[in-house]
Amino acid sequence: DQQVKQNSPSLSVQEGRISILNCDYTNSMFDYFLWYKKYPAEGPTFLISISSIKDKNEDGRFTVFLNKSAKHLSLHIVPSQPGDSAVYFCAASAPRSNYQLIWGAGTKLIIKP
Amino acid sequence: ETGVTQTPRHLVMGMTNKKSLKCEQHLGHNAMYWYKQSAKKPLELMFVYNFKEQTENNSVPSRFSPECPNSSHLFLHLHTLQPEDSALYLCASSLGQGNGYTFGSGTRLTVV
Repeated sequence: DQQVKQNSPSLSVQEGRISILNCDYTNSMFDYFLWYKKYPAEGPTFLISISSIKDKNEDGRFTVFLNKSAKHLSLHIVPSQPGDSAVYFCAASAPRSNYQLIWGAGTKLIIKP
Repeated sequence: ETGVTQTPRHLVMGMTNKKSLKCEQHLGHNAMYWYKQSAKKPLELMFVYNFKEQTENNSVPSRFSPECPNSSHLFLHLHTLQPEDSALYLCASSLGQGNGYTFGSGTRLTVV
């Protein structure tokens, strides 16, 4: 059973518009959530995170929103740029989880010029 | 360069071969991880080492054998693999739990 789900395998957005990537989770014990970005032939790189005590975290063009009651988080990128084209992974961890992150399957974001 | 170096970048091996993947970090991180990434599937955690001690083995078949001689180096020894083991193998390290995993670029493994 997948505890972290990214239901959209891919998303296409016009350059300059807002990209919204979604992630749902089932484990209510998760208290820390992260987004990673991955280019082809490279490892994932950390993008932004949020603790469960917050409902929003912003870093430049990237904002992550957390809705604990819905067990849903989203990553907003605005404005979207061509260099944002990549696969985005959502990950979550629970207290005392022995360093383990639980990952979603990823969403491929394509920014159209 | 992320600070986590994996070699080789690409590896093709037969099912009877023995090979090793290497990972190295000099970030001062205490935890190191092996992940497997198959197409359109979530990252699968294979092994976790914390201060050289294995703390997690996620039901990985014995044809994969990890080794962590010190906090900076991690190996994955491979032998008698199957074609379905073909995937991208990623090494990561972190200081503490969850936050700030640094990944290497991965080894693209093809088993023929």
